[in-house]
This record gives sequence, structure tokens and C-alpha cells, in this order.
Amino acid sequence: GENVEQHPSTLSVQEGDSAVIKCTYSDSASNYFPWYKQELGKRPQLIIDIRSNVGEKKDQRIAVTLNKTAKHFSLHITETQPEDSAVYFCAASGQGGKLIFGQGTELSVKP
Amino acid sequence: DVKVTQSSRYLVKRTGEKVFLECVQDMDHENMFWYRQDPGLGLRLIYFSYDVKMKEKGDIPEGYSVSREKKERFSLILESASTNQTSMYLCASSLSGFDEQFFGPGTRLTVL
Repeated sequence: GENVEQHPSTLSVQEGDSAVIKCTYSDSASNYFPWYKQELGKRPQLIIDIRSNVGEKKDQRIAVTLNKTAKHFSLHITETQPEDSAVYFCAASGQGGKLIFGQGTELSVKP
Repeated sequence: DVKVTQSSRYLVKRTGEKVFLECVQDMDHENMFWYRQDPGLGLRLIYFSYDVKMKEKGDIPEGYSVSREKKERFSLILESASTNQTSMYLCASSLSGFDEQFFGPGTRLTVL
């Protein structure tokens, strides 16, 4: 069935370092890959997304890369700040337009 | 700004009770979704809807049903609540199938 695996489940970095979160997906027909950030006690919010016709997308300190052949995509956060601390979810589009979410990564940025 | 609201932030029910969770969006979105969020399991799709009176099963529909009588409102129903349905429930809406999903604040349901 449709599945998205996300790693690592927890990630701790020093302020200013980079953070990388990786996801793999099972459905080769997936063509939309969003990333959501959920701060403690708040709702998930979209931070960046990528579609299958591009390999990389960047928005300030955040970038996402996609390798369709290997069926994996990654989130890169550079120059991390304490406010980047949150749970991050990757997702891949599934049959019928639904999203399949990964298990989440809890990122902690230590000042 | 898209606004997605849910009827309750916290809810405590007893085993066997019928539970209604309501979600309303104000942006005329076609698609609405119900997820449950549990630690280490991410967001799991329960049901979704692409149009009024239309519903599709997600990955974990057992024990749940839904209703969408109006475009802006999507209800999740637990016919007979059980303790394993204790969870955070999140509603979301999107303009179309492959667009940003906007989430509600969530309802933390405890079934005793």
C-alpha cells in the first residue's frame, strides 16, 4: 500500500548548524510533496512543497530536494534558529488526491 | 486568510457514547479531510470528501463515519466511542486535491 517513511524521528542541532530530514515514498505515481511544520500546541502549517517536474526548490533558509528515481525527498534547513524547533512532517500525494504523511521529526535547535 | 475551525479544543467522553466532531471552513474549499494524530505515527487519514454528500475512506476508517451536508462543514462521527480512539483529531481543507491543506486547531478527545 501507499507508505511514507520519515527519518530521523528526533534531531537535535546547535543553533547555526544545518538540519536534514529524509523521506521515502512507495507510490511511483506520487507527484506532489509538501512539508509541514507543527509548533508545540499549534496546527501544522505548510512551509514548502515540491512537484515532480522539478528536482529542487529553495525558500530562504529552507530547501527541498526530490529524487523520483530513488523515490526519496529531503528537507534542508540551513543556519538553524531556536524558532525552527518543531515537529516536521513530510507527505506524498496518494491515490485520489489524498496526502500520505510521514511519522514526523521532532527538531530541537539548542541556543 | 483561510480559516478552519473545529467545534471543541478538548472533549471527554465515556466508552460507548456517540461523539460528533465538527469542522467548518470559510474559503469555499472543495476538499475536506479528517486525520488523527498520535505520537510516533504522524497524521493518519480517517476520511476525506471532495464534494457535498461525497466521502472516501482514508487509511483508518474503522469505527468512524462522516457527514458532509454543506460544502463548508465536515463532521466526524464516532458511533460508539472506545478508549483506543483517544487521540488528537485534526480537520483540514484544500482548494483541490494537490494544493496546500489548511488545518484546524485540533480536538483532543479523551475516551474514558
